[in-house]
Amino acid sequence: AQRVTQPEKLLSVFKGAPVELKCNYSYSGSPELFWYVQYSRQRLQLLLRHISRESIKGFTADLNKGETSFHLKKPFAQEEDSAMYYCALSLYSSASKIIFGSGTRLSIRP
Amino acid sequence: GAGVSQSPSNKVTEKGKDVELRCDPISGHTALYWYRQSLGQGLEFLIYFQGNSAPDKSGLPSDRFSAERTGGSVSTLTIQRTQQEDSAVYLCASSRGGAGTEAFFGQGTRLTVV
Repeated sequence: AQRVTQPEKLLSVFKGAPVELKCNYSYSGSPELFWYVQYSRQRLQLLLRHISRESIKGFTADLNKGETSFHLKKPFAQEEDSAMYYCALSLYSSASKIIFGSGTRLSIRP
Repeated sequence: GAGVSQSPSNKVTEKGKDVELRCDPISGHTALYWYRQSLGQGLEFLIYFQGNSAPDKSGLPSDRFSAERTGGSVSTLTIQRTQQEDSAVYLCASSRGGAGTEAFFGQGTRLTVV
């Protein structure tokens, strides 16, 4: 079965330090991977998707099919990055549902 | 256009009562999801509707939980005989469905069972 694993429930780093939020998935085919973010008192929303190969708010994520990982990275954390981050997987199927990981709460210390 | 709308935004109910939570997805979105988010916790999948297919109910925690989606649009999540552990934020999301589409989330309904 398809699964998304985020091993860290909480990650706390100092402002200006690098950030890496880990995500591993299990699926033998070619999935599409996403990162979603939920800031305090806001809706859960899409941050980025791997197919776009874009950097959003300084965050990037590279799909590593060999390691089945899609870690989210930012070189210099900012206080406004504090939020809940969810990794998600969607399959290339007409009836595909989006599968979310359990989430990682990122806390940036001043 | 409008995003995903959920009502009510807050609901306080007494233990043992039934509650209904409503979700209005984005027009034209064929896929609809319900999730539960307990205080400080991550997303817990409840149920998934995709077009006319049978819903994926694999996440419903007990038979007190049920959901309907009428006419492929509005969805109602019903919790019967509510318990205190049902207290959480219930999130609805919709997407166009199909390969790799983005999910759009509502603001959620905060349910408190007293």
